[in-house]
Amino acid sequence: ETGVTQTPRHLVMGMTNKKSLKCEQHLGHNAMYWYKQSAKKPLELMFVYSLEERVENNSVPSRFSPECPNSSHLFLHLHTLQPEDSALYLCASSQDLAGGSDTQYFGPGTRLTVL
Amino acid sequence: QKEVEQDPGPLSVPEGAIVSLNCTYSNSAFQYFMWYRQYSRKGPELLMYTYSSGNKEDGRFTAQVDKSSKYISLFIRDSQPSDSATYLCAMSVDTGRRALTFGSGTRLQVQP
Repeated sequence: ETGVTQTPRHLVMGMTNKKSLKCEQHLGHNAMYWYKQSAKKPLELMFVYSLEERVENNSVPSRFSPECPNSSHLFLHLHTLQPEDSALYLCASSQDLAGGSDTQYFGPGTRLTVL
Repeated sequence: QKEVEQDPGPLSVPEGAIVSLNCTYSNSAFQYFMWYRQYSRKGPELLMYTYSSGNKEDGRFTAQVDKSSKYISLFIRDSQPSDSATYLCAMSVDTGRRALTFGSGTRLQVQP
């Protein structure tokens, strides 16, 4: 296990639903990330949090809303999604943001299907 | 042009073969280079990490970075069926960048 857990592992939702993805890291890290992984595409960074403060938001549509209540937990709230939002959503954590050498540890992901 | 290019495969090899996986990139500011392995239905896990140019070896795995050619490689010796996975290259600049730039991944199948 990587020390990063995600729930649920699978989620099917309609376009009008509201749901949330949860991520928890047990590594004592200070930074957490949300990525989107679509088939045959590179991982796309969505959000970055450091010490519960959002430090980067890569032009993500407002139908995705992150929340970081503490350094161990990260949520991604979903509402009025589109079918093209179907993907694997990965959470990652790292010790800090400082420098490019900081290793990121990934959770298993939530497989999201939007009908 | 994508910042990081990676052949998607799939790459199919017999057990025991030497595997070569590669990525090219366009941003000369990249200093840190990583290879992640992702099994089906799992998140990526860090396999190898290299700073700047040169080689790094860890068991059956060797990572090479050629910054002059903007080209990185991962070699797997004596490949095993358990090596079957998608391999993602990733890279980042020295400072100021808070996340990684990934390739799209190469799917490897090692046939027993």
